Amino acid sequence: NAGVTQTPKFQVLKTGQSMTLQCAQDMNHNSMYWYRQDPGMGLRLIYYSASEGTTDKGEVPNGYNVSRLNKREFSLRLESAAPSQTSVYFCANDDRASMNTEAFFGQGTRLTVV
Amino acid sequence: GESVGLHLPTLSVQEGDNSIINCAYSNSASDYFIWYKQESGKGPQFIIDIRSNMDKRQGQRVTVLLNKTVKHLSLQIAATQPGDSAVYFCAERLSSYGKLTFGQGTILTVHP
Repeated sequence: NAGVTQTPKFQVLKTGQSMTLQCAQDMNHNSMYWYRQDPGMGLRLIYYSASEGTTDKGEVPNGYNVSRLNKREFSLRLESAAPSQTSVYFCANDDRASMNTEAFFGQGTRLTVV
Repeated sequence: GESVGLHLPTLSVQEGDNSIINCAYSNSASDYFIWYKQESGKGPQFIIDIRSNMDKRQGQRVTVLLNKTVKHLSLQIAATQPGDSAVYFCAERLSSYGKLTFGQGTILTVHP
């Protein structure tokens, strides 16, 4: 998906380890999001950032922290990974100001916590 | 321990048939409704959206219908092709917020 880059693409962590998932967009959009997707389920919002300098909790924020470093970058941190955080993580962005509802997603980060 | 997830609804059609995928949304205050397509191993991709003041919107081979009375949204795909096989998600958005809330999803399988 052009314009949204997520790193890493795959990661295996041991319980208790920490890591940061990186997301960068070159679309100059204000809003950025982090979702998780568990097998057979839809996407659940973890955190979002409506604009640079602001962040808000979504449906499932527990165990995560985020940083909106600048307009381009929005990172998701797991301070102490748990097996329940095994999931596929998607970063997305959209341009609320234009009233265009289309959100653009990255390819996802597949995280396994053992 | 083993995790148990929900099983997504499935729809199987023959190539060339029309497909109808349904979604029930939860928030009567939502102003925008969007359909996304997710192919295996990829992030969701935007298909079409509709605003709450409309009840029908057409795109290329796709039509979205909105029934606010019963909070129901549907996606119709005409002349379904094997490349349409994917998981389809509906999403809703409040006009005053940027965040998207996704529905459960439906697996569409198109048989040649």
